[in-house]
Amino acid sequence: DAGITQSPRHKVTETGTPVTLRCHQTENHRYMYWYRQDPGHGLRLIHYSYGVKDTDKGEVSDGYSVSRSKTEDFLLTLESATSSQTSVYFCAISESRTGAIDGYTFGSGTRLTVV
Amino acid sequence: TQLLEQSPQFLSIQEGENLTVYCNSSSVFSSLQWYRQEPGEGPVLLVTVVTGGEVKKLKRLTFQFGDARKDSSLHITAAQPGDTGLYLCAGVEAAGNKLTFGGGTRVLVKP
Repeated sequence: DAGITQSPRHKVTETGTPVTLRCHQTENHRYMYWYRQDPGHGLRLIHYSYGVKDTDKGEVSDGYSVSRSKTEDFLLTLESATSSQTSVYFCAISESRTGAIDGYTFGSGTRLTVV
Repeated sequence: TQLLEQSPQFLSIQEGENLTVYCNSSSVFSSLQWYRQEPGEGPVLLVTVVTGGEVKKLKRLTFQFGDARKDSSLHITAAQPGDTGLYLCAGVEAAGNKLTFGGGTRVLVKP
């Protein structure tokens, strides 16, 4: 049983449309993260959450918003999708803020293409 | 320039050979982690090192944290095709509170 699931796994959308990606966890971890992974850039943090309704920006947050109304769900919204947001998006969870001991557990990713 | 620099970026070897991947920084880290990512999946944690000079072994994988806690290496002995993947190091700076990832090393082990 996967402790973290992402949906959808693949999505193609048009420029200018809003898109929402979902991350669901069954581990009851406090911290949840959204990353994007692009060739040459590695994993870059978009937003993270440290509790219900508690979120903060990462290093590449422009054009993205997040919401966490329940412990288990963390949503990432692209308000008006652009081609530069074509990427693979990963959700991660951890018990501690830095994951220094337990590490991060990642979902399987969502491949988003903006045309 | 990334906080954590991994080298090489790409490594292709034959089954049975040994390989070493490096993760370097000018910053001091309180802990450092290694992940492996396979195509179409998210990264999976392999190990966490927290003490300078620490060496951890995971079957044929050996992880070392530098004495000054600025660098780390991953050594694979007698590599197998199942070792193929993207290896990522990630660290928490001594004065920081977030996990930062390196750019990754893509390893291909040919049968």
